[in-house]
Amino acid sequence: NAGVTQTPKFRVLKTGQSMTLLCAQDMNHEYMYWYRQDPGMGLRLIHYSVGEGTTAKGEVPDGYNVSRLKKQNFLLGLESAAPSQTSVYFCASSTLGDSYEQYFGPGTRLTVT
Amino acid sequence: GQSLEQPSEVTAVEGAIVQINCTYQTSGFYGLSWYQQHDGGAPTFLSYNALDGLEETGRFSSFLSRSDSYGYLLLQELQMKDSASYFCAVRDGGGGFKTIFGAGTRLFVKA
Repeated sequence: NAGVTQTPKFRVLKTGQSMTLLCAQDMNHEYMYWYRQDPGMGLRLIHYSVGEGTTAKGEVPDGYNVSRLKKQNFLLGLESAAPSQTSVYFCASSTLGDSYEQYFGPGTRLTVT
Repeated sequence: GQSLEQPSEVTAVEGAIVQINCTYQTSGFYGLSWYQQHDGGAPTFLSYNALDGLEETGRFSSFLSRSDSYGYLLLQELQMKDSASYFCAVRDGGGGFKTIFGAGTRLFVKA
């Protein structure tokens, strides 16, 4: 099992450019999440999904869109990147178990200049 | 509003015991989790408390008091490899699917 994988690992964008971050999980998990982590801060939830075809807003959804067309994939899109979106982005997935343990991907380090 | 408060830094000596506290204020509550994150790495799950009391997993234990909106992570027999950031997280509203993380506690273990 690869667990949770993220593509790409690093990316540099210019202000106004767009990009899509891909998250894939092979654990058949129902729930998937996108977080951003800024230096010295915890993880902030951007969007999440409770199943294929469903998405919902988290704490900081502005400037991002998501799609969950397949159960194993969760895409995060930036339509017009801004320097404030410079961050490390983590994807996570979890199952319906009691602990709702979240499994995290390795992260994508994004810099917007 | 929703908030979780935990100390920003804690320093302890190898072999000692350390407790990291977390207080929370959320609109809903389904459970308190703890995650560990080493520099440059991804967060990894440590423990989860849905009910009051102590949960023990090896050297790590986690406690929850729902009436006090308070929990803590206890690390025993500290090792150098325990130097990392520790985050408490609350399953909040949205049917319990939204997870809100604290800002993290940086633990430094000294020899």
